[in-house]
Amino acid sequence: SYVLTQPPSVSVAPGQTARITCGGNNIGSKSVHWYQQKPGQAPVLVVYDDSDRPSGIPERFSGSNSGNTATLTISRVEAGDEADYYCQVWDSSSDHPRVFGGGTKLTVL
Amino acid sequence: EVQLVESGGGLVKPGGSLRLSCAASGFTFSSYSMNWVRQAPGKGLEWVSSISSSSSYIYYADSVKGRFTISRDNAKNSLYLQMNSLRAEDTAVYYCARGERAMVAGGYYFDYWGQGTLVTVSS
Repeated sequence: SYVLTQPPSVSVAPGQTARITCGGNNIGSKSVHWYQQKPGQAPVLVVYDDSDRPSGIPERFSGSNSGNTATLTISRVEAGDEADYYCQVWDSSSDHPRVFGGGTKLTVL
Repeated sequence: EVQLVESGGGLVKPGGSLRLSCAASGFTFSSYSMNWVRQAPGKGLEWVSSISSSSSYIYYADSVKGRFTISRDNAKNSLYLQMNSLRAEDTAVYYCARGERAMVAGGYYFDYWGQGTLVTVSS
């Protein structure tokens, strides 16, 4: 089965740029989607199809995907961005194509 | 406004059964695939099951296959998850999520989520 690898944690100071990676074999050939989950809340879609943002998501959130790594970039990080972030892909070669990464805890220092 | 509201969670003994429901509103329910995703305490997200818009295609994670049954009633705008033979490792918050088709390389993502319902399996 397809495996997505995320760093367990990323720390960044307010106003700086946070980059959260999602690694997978030839992930650049797949659509990558990102979810933000704050404590006690449901996940929220923040980026879909590698780099598109749903309405209501700030432009500070962006995504890229190439080769074996997809990246969620959060510019001008705010305290309110502190959350867990999960990447997700569709693995068409699998009987269970909906795959999540293990999640990354973003800490705003 | 899209709304997904789960219900039916609770405390159940190992080997017991529970039926979760998800009431949908704010969109044409019959046009979308729907999903259940769970999250064990302190753990990450785990996809559980999916059902296509007309119930023609149904998928399960290996961890629940043969024990859980997903279904939907488009007339009632509702999604269900019948959970049998429950185990301690099924303890989790269960989320209902709408599936949206990805445009870049196919497949689906989850564009709207409910608030979740907690299932606790314990004696």
